[in-house]
Amino acid sequence: GDSVTQMEGPVTLSEEAFLTINCTYTATGYPSLFWYVQYPGEGLQLLLKATKADDKGSNKGFEATYRKETTSFHLEKGSVQVSDSAVYFCALLSSNRDDKIIFGKGTRLHILP
Amino acid sequence: GAGVSQTPSNKVTEKGKYVELRCDPISGHTALYWYRQSLGQGPEFLIYFQGTGAADDSGLPNDRFFAVRPEGSVSTLKIQRTERGDSAVYLCASSRRFPSGANVLTFGAGSRLTVL
Repeated sequence: GDSVTQMEGPVTLSEEAFLTINCTYTATGYPSLFWYVQYPGEGLQLLLKATKADDKGSNKGFEATYRKETTSFHLEKGSVQVSDSAVYFCALLSSNRDDKIIFGKGTRLHILP
Repeated sequence: GAGVSQTPSNKVTEKGKYVELRCDPISGHTALYWYRQSLGQGPEFLIYFQGTGAADDSGLPNDRFFAVRPEGSVSTLKIQRTERGDSAVYLCASSRRFPSGANVLTFGAGSRLTVL
């Protein structure tokens, strides 16, 4: 079945460092891909999305490009801030219309001032 | 409402007890999902409603778990004879009609269940 694999955390970086969180997926067809973020004490929020190959999703300085050839959707940010500390989840929505969103296990990010 | 509302936010119960968790989705959203998030894990799909009917309940772990959405709006997740392994955060999400790249899911803050 469809699945998402993302790098295990925690990831600890200094403020202004470059961030990459790897995500790869297994799916038939052309799924939609998402990054969700969970800040401490809050619910899951959509960070960005991409619906077809080569699309780039972006929001709040974060970017991810839908790479069908490598089945990847890595999350990047050029200069992280302390406020980016959160848990990040990569997810996919199958194109099979079974309407389930499948999540990765999450990557906890700590940014040190 | 403005967002997805879940109650209670925290529930502590004893092993063997019955528990109900409520979800009030965004007004007009016909798709409603329940997920379960255990510590250190990603959300795990439980059940999905379109309107009043359960379109997919393949994620419910066993027959102790049941969910209803009688009027196509509020949903209740019911857990009978709770076990310690049921301890988790139960997340509800909704979207307009079918979720897609455009109609993304909006999540509630979750109900944290602790079974002693």
